[in-house]
Formats: sequence, C-alpha cells, structure tokens
Amino acid sequence: GIQVEQSPPDLILQEGANSTLRCNFSDSVNNLQWFHQNPWGQLINLFYIPSGTKQNGRLSATTVATERYSLLYISSSQTTDSGVYFCAALFSGTYKYIFGTGTRLKVLA
Amino acid sequence: GAGVSQSPSNKVTEKGKDVELRCDPISGHTALYWYRQSLGQGLEFLIYFQGNSAPDKSGLPSDRFSAERTGGSVSTLTIQRTQQEDSAVYLCASSLGFADTQYFGPGTRLTVL
Repeated sequence: GIQVEQSPPDLILQEGANSTLRCNFSDSVNNLQWFHQNPWGQLINLFYIPSGTKQNGRLSATTVATERYSLLYISSSQTTDSGVYFCAALFSGTYKYIFGTGTRLKVLA
Repeated sequence: GAGVSQSPSNKVTEKGKDVELRCDPISGHTALYWYRQSLGQGLEFLIYFQGNSAPDKSGLPSDRFSAERTGGSVSTLTIQRTQQEDSAVYLCASSLGFADTQYFGPGTRLTVL
C-alpha cells in the first residue's frame, strides 16, 4: 500500500552542525510538504515541494519525484531547530495526505 | 492575516459524553482537513472537505465520528459517546485549493477520562 517513511527516526546534533533528513514515498505524488512541529505542538510549514529544489535561509529541500524521495537539509543548526520534522505526501489519485512518522531532532548548545 | 484557529484549545470530558471541536480556516481557503495525533505519534488523516462536501471520509475511525462544514468556512468535528482511546490532539489544516500548501491550526487537546 501507499506509505511514507522517514529516516533517521532520531537525531542529536551539536549546535552548528549540518544534517540531512530523508523521506521516501511509495508512489507518485501531487504534493510533498515538509513541516516542523515545535515543542508546543504547532506544525509550521517549511516547504511545498512536489519536485525540484527550494531554499529558505539555512534550510533547503530537494524532491526527486521519479525516484520517490525527498531530502531536507539543515545547515548550521541552532537549538531552535529542535523538534519533530514531518514530511507529508499527497499521492496521485487520492485526497488524503499521508504523514511519515517523523524525525525527532535535538540540537545541543 | 489570521491563521487557522481551533476551539477549544483543551477539552476534558467523561467517557460516554459527546464533544464538538471547531475549526476556522484561513479566509478564502476552499480545502479543509482534519487530523488526529496521538501522544508521540505522527498525524492520522480523518477527513477532507472541498467546499462543503467531503470527497474523502475514509479516515474517520468509527461511526461515532462525524464532521460537517458550512458556508465553505467553519468546520465542526463531532465525537459521540467518547472513549478513552479518542484522547489525542485533533488538528485542522486549510489550503487555498486541493493540493496547495496546508496551514495548520494549533490543535485541540482532547482528554477522555
């Protein structure tokens, strides 16, 4: 069946380090989004990226739709980057977004 | 402009009672989604509205769950005869149209005693 897998499940970084989070999806998608859930539970949009590459400050994302994966890059990490990162895929021919299980990131000062 | 709002922010109820959760989407957004997030888990899709109609209700866990949307705006998620396993954070999101960027509300934390 359709599914979304994220890796790694947990990540601990020292402040200033770089990281790459991965999202694999099982079929073609109409939309792929990355979210950051802060410690208070609010989900914040990072990227709307069904294909291609986008950058926003220290964050960038790449989706290779033909190979069914997306990557989120965090450079020069800060303690405020801590939280859970989710990718969500809207598979072609469906109406519902499937969320991955998330990557829990902790950035140490 | 105003984001997605949800009310109440917290709801504590007794097993067997009915509850109503409200979502006010961003003005002009035609698509609206409800999700459920259990403690420490990912998000589980419940229902999608396009305007006032729901082309996909497949995520509603049981017939105790229902949702409606009126005027292409406010949506209400109703849970009848609540059970302890219904305890979770219920999140609402809206987008300008189908497959556009979703924007999430702060959620309603439901606790069933």
